[in-house]
Amino acid sequence: TQLLKQSPQFLSIQEGENLTVYCNSSSVFSSLQWYRQEPGEGPVLLVTVVTGGEVKKLKRLTFQFGDARKDSSLHITAAQPGDTGLYLCAASPYGQNFVFGPGTRLSVLP
Amino acid sequence: DAEITQSPRHKITETGRQVTLACHQTWNHNNMFWYRQDLGHGLRLIHYSYGVQDTNKGEVSDGYSVSRSNTEDLPLTLESAASSQTSVYFCASSGHLNTEAFFGQGTRLTVV
Repeated sequence: TQLLKQSPQFLSIQEGENLTVYCNSSSVFSSLQWYRQEPGEGPVLLVTVVTGGEVKKLKRLTFQFGDARKDSSLHITAAQPGDTGLYLCAASPYGQNFVFGPGTRLSVLP
Repeated sequence: DAEITQSPRHKITETGRQVTLACHQTWNHNNMFWYRQDLGHGLRLIHYSYGVQDTNKGEVSDGYSVSRSNTEDLPLTLESAASSQTSVYFCASSGHLNTEAFFGQGTRLTVV
């Protein structure tokens, strides 16, 4: 049973479109992270959210942590080909190691 | 700048051989992790360490071992490589609160 579920699994869009990907769980987390992984590289941390309801912005990326600290969303405005990659959410259940979602593979076509 | 490096980046080995993958971090993090990443399975935890002389098994630890003799290094050893261990391996480190992980660039291991 996956502790973290991500949707959609795959997403292919045109440059300039907006998109939202989701990370959901039935567990409560002390913090949640989003990573982006490009082919042949390791995941790179984008953001950490720790407070229920928290919203963080990173240029065209907006991250939200659910009020109950069980889910999160990542919204990208005006996607660019450079946004292409595997987006992973990860969480740290209280006192335990990171768990990672299976990822959303995003392809932004020029 | 602090970093985490893995070596080698690519490795081909034969079934039954012992293989060691290196991981070195300069973040001065206590927590270090080894994952494998396979299509359809995502990142799976192999072993982890919360400090010097501390090692723990993850969800897919069979056939792997680690040792932690200092803060900076957590080498991963495959005792007798099997074809099922063909994968991409990532090392990561984090501070004691586990609020963010920093990953190496990965080692692509092929067992033939």
